[in-house]
Amino acid sequence: AQSVTQPDIHITVSEGASLELRCNYSYGATPYLFWYVQSPGQGLQLLLKYFSGDTLVQGIKGFEAEFKRSQSAFNLRKPSVHWSDAAEYFCAVGSDSNYQLIWGAGTKLIIKP
Amino acid sequence: DGGITQSPKYLFRKEGQNVTLSCEQNLNHDAMYWYRQDPGQGLRLIYYSQIVNDFQKGDIAEGYSVSREKKESFPLTVTSAQKNPTAFYLCASSIGGEQFFGPGTRLTVL
Repeated sequence: AQSVTQPDIHITVSEGASLELRCNYSYGATPYLFWYVQSPGQGLQLLLKYFSGDTLVQGIKGFEAEFKRSQSAFNLRKPSVHWSDAAEYFCAVGSDSNYQLIWGAGTKLIIKP
Repeated sequence: DGGITQSPKYLFRKEGQNVTLSCEQNLNHDAMYWYRQDPGQGLRLIYYSQIVNDFQKGDIAEGYSVSREKKESFPLTVTSAQKNPTAFYLCASSIGGEQFFGPGTRLTVL
């Protein structure tokens, strides 16, 4: 079955500390992978995406993610978080032949001052 | 600027009433989607449309209806058959696998 797992419902990080949000997927086809961010009461904004090529992708707001095919993983990282990064983060997987995305349940990031 | 608009931002409805949520895009995307979001449950797909005059049910279509008469527009009607309609509703469009989202409509049933 196709699925996306974000094992952490909540993560609390001190401001200035590094961050890693985990995402594992199960998908039959060659995956397209996405990370989106959502502030409270807002729509989702794309942080970064992986379609092919270099497995380390850079996104907006200083985020990056690495595609590890052998681990079916696409973890999101940031070297130093800011209070404005507090939000909910969603991982999703799709393909070029499928109009639908499979979504993870999301990870809520809390920033400690 | 290109983008997706949803209106209204907040909507209140009495039980037993139908209500229609608007979604418009000027990105020239063929595909459009409606999602429902409840706290702690992520995004659940209600309906999607790959092309004008065609749409398919998603995972939770019961109690909802859509139309796709124009490429730019994909309105969602929440009918009285939807037993628990209070939620945050998100519209999206896509090209090349990537989805673009509107700001959402929060529907509250009184």
